Amino acid sequence: QQQVKQSPQSLIVQKGGISIINCAYENTAFDYFPWYQQFPGKGPALLIAIRPDVSEKKEGRFTISFNKSAKQFSLHIMDSQPGDSATYFCAASILGSARQLTFGSGTQLTVLP
Amino acid sequence: NAGVTQTPKFQVLKTGQSMTLQCAQDMNHNSMYWYRQDPGMGLRLIYYSASEGTTDKGEVPNGYNVSRLNKREFSLRLESAAPSQTSVYFCASTLELGGETQYFGPGTRLLVL
Repeated sequence: QQQVKQSPQSLIVQKGGISIINCAYENTAFDYFPWYQQFPGKGPALLIAIRPDVSEKKEGRFTISFNKSAKQFSLHIMDSQPGDSATYFCAASILGSARQLTFGSGTQLTVLP
Repeated sequence: NAGVTQTPKFQVLKTGQSMTLQCAQDMNHNSMYWYRQDPGMGLRLIYYSASEGTTDKGEVPNGYNVSRLNKREFSLRLESAAPSQTSVYFCASTLELGGETQYFGPGTRLLVL
């Protein structure tokens, strides 16, 4: 049972454009929502994360938007650059559950120069 | 600091063979994790270790065993490899169980023929 659904599977964006990746979750007990970035041949690395008590978090060109009522959250990459080309995973976890991360299926982002 | 290291980087096994994947971290983290990554399925937790001397099952533990050798090292063993275990395996660590940021190693690519 996939508890975190991620879309799209792949995304192609022109340099300078906005990349948007969406995730939806089922378990209302989730209280921590990170995004991980993975470059080819590397392990995932934490990019940005949000808790459900806020609706938006911004770090540089990366923004998470969170909609608790809809059980959805999304990653927005402003002014996308070729160096942003990577696979992005959303995830969710529950406080007190050993922080077992439930990952989405991933989105392969390609930013064209 | 090397962070999280994994060996080997790549391995080919025949069905029924056994092997151990090694993981070590030099960040003085207490908790360590093993994930497998399969196309279209994100990362799934196999086992985790909250602290030295303890291990617990994750989402997909069947066919695997783990050993928390000491605080630094956490190994994953396949006793009798099957083609279904062809995957990329990632080790991760956090400062404490429940820590929000998981630091991942570079992965081990395993092919079981």
